[in-house]
Amino acid sequence: EVQLVESGGGLVQPGMSLRLSCAASGFTFDDYAMHWVRQAPGKGLEWVSGLSWNSGGTAYADSVKGRFTISRDNAKNSLYLQMNSLRVEDTALYYCVKDGECSRTNCYKGFDYWGQGTLVTVSA
Amino acid sequence: QSALTQPASVSGSPGQSITISCTGTSSDVGAYNYVSWYQQHPGKAPKLMIYDVSNRPSGVSNRFSGSKSGNTASLTISGLQAEDEAEYYCSSYTSSVSLMFGGGTKLTVL
Repeated sequence: EVQLVESGGGLVQPGMSLRLSCAASGFTFDDYAMHWVRQAPGKGLEWVSGLSWNSGGTAYADSVKGRFTISRDNAKNSLYLQMNSLRVEDTALYYCVKDGECSRTNCYKGFDYWGQGTLVTVSA
Repeated sequence: QSALTQPASVSGSPGQSITISCTGTSSDVGAYNYVSWYQQHPGKAPKLMIYDVSNRPSGVSNRFSGSKSGNTASLTISGLQAEDEAEYYCSSYTSSVSLMFGGGTKLTVL
């Protein structure tokens, strides 16, 4: 059974940093590109960042470019999101998601598995 | 990066068919067949319903179908059922090597 379990969320002040983690199991982790998608309370989905199977390709939404860094450790079946210079508008539930078929970020076959999300709240 | 455009809400009676549109540009929906649709019930994670414009993942009912014409993709749900009431999101790959979601459409089954 595929499982994606996020952790690391919490309440932080604007300007601070946070590192999210996602533990994957039930599939061959290093065969797939992985992504982060967020959803602000009561709002729609927003793609945040994606990473290819071998970390050779990364992609970021303009809203987080230069502040967030995505990474993975295939030996630990884990995906990470380092979030720096956090803003109030970064407040959201952050989902770790798996691409259905693609191993690279210049390909998109839909996100077939989602975690339950970890909540990040940025507030003074 | 502006969101893909979806109607805020659609509604239909049980047994009817509805269609949700998703309008992008020639740099995203119009340029690639990498369009997906998601269903999200309140308090739940989204579920993939359609990928590559019109393909259904295993286990998704054949009442759900997708299509595309130019810069607009569409999701059609036939034989509406009460459990179809949810929020629906489209998404597309873009020429800037990124992904984009639509603003979401609330489907109400009357």
